[in-house]
Amino acid sequence: DAMVIQNPRYQVTQFGKPVTLSCSQTLNHNVMYWYQQKSSQAPKLLFHYYDKDFNNEADTPDNFQSRRPNTSFCFLDIRSPGLGDAAMYLCATSRGGGQTDTQYFGPGTRLTVL
Amino acid sequence: GQNIDQPTEMTATEGAIVQINCTYQTSGFNGLFWYQQHAGEAPTFLSYNVLDGLEEKGRFSSFLSRSKGYSYLLLKELQMKDSASYLCAVSDSNYQLIWGAGTKLIIKP
Repeated sequence: DAMVIQNPRYQVTQFGKPVTLSCSQTLNHNVMYWYQQKSSQAPKLLFHYYDKDFNNEADTPDNFQSRRPNTSFCFLDIRSPGLGDAAMYLCATSRGGGQTDTQYFGPGTRLTVL
Repeated sequence: GQNIDQPTEMTATEGAIVQINCTYQTSGFNGLFWYQQHAGEAPTFLSYNVLDGLEEKGRFSSFLSRSKGYSYLLLKELQMKDSASYLCAVSDSNYQLIWGAGTKLIIKP
């Protein structure tokens, strides 16, 4: 089945220790998104890629970086995690094409910062 | 600014009907989505409305009025597994999704 996969599902890191979250997709979608979601809050878009074109949201901290080495994979790097970065990180994909299209989400990675 | 409003929490009884409302103020409109999100899991797509009116899909229906900036999600014959958060999201003039904080639906036996 075509899907969006995120690894790991649960990640524990220490304050200030860099961490990388990964996302892969078999949908062959052009667009990949990274969201941060805290409990009982709306998902917050951090950045997205349209193919290789990177789009950073204005209020995304510099502490968050992303890489998309190919169509299938996208990574979220948190350079120096703080306690406030503990959240669920959601990867999503969409077909793209300049029109509204549905975003499909992976299962998420829950990040704990000690 | 852009804003999506939904009730924070609702409670309903198994077998009953519940309507979850969403009002929005966005710069442009290119459609409205409803997603279901179970606790600790990712959102899953439920419905998409871009024209006014009611879209029915099994036990779930979604309604849109663009002139009023209003949508609702109607859930019929509620089951315990419908206990989840329901998120409303609007695609704005740049095709960016503006998300509501979600409505937590609690189903009681």
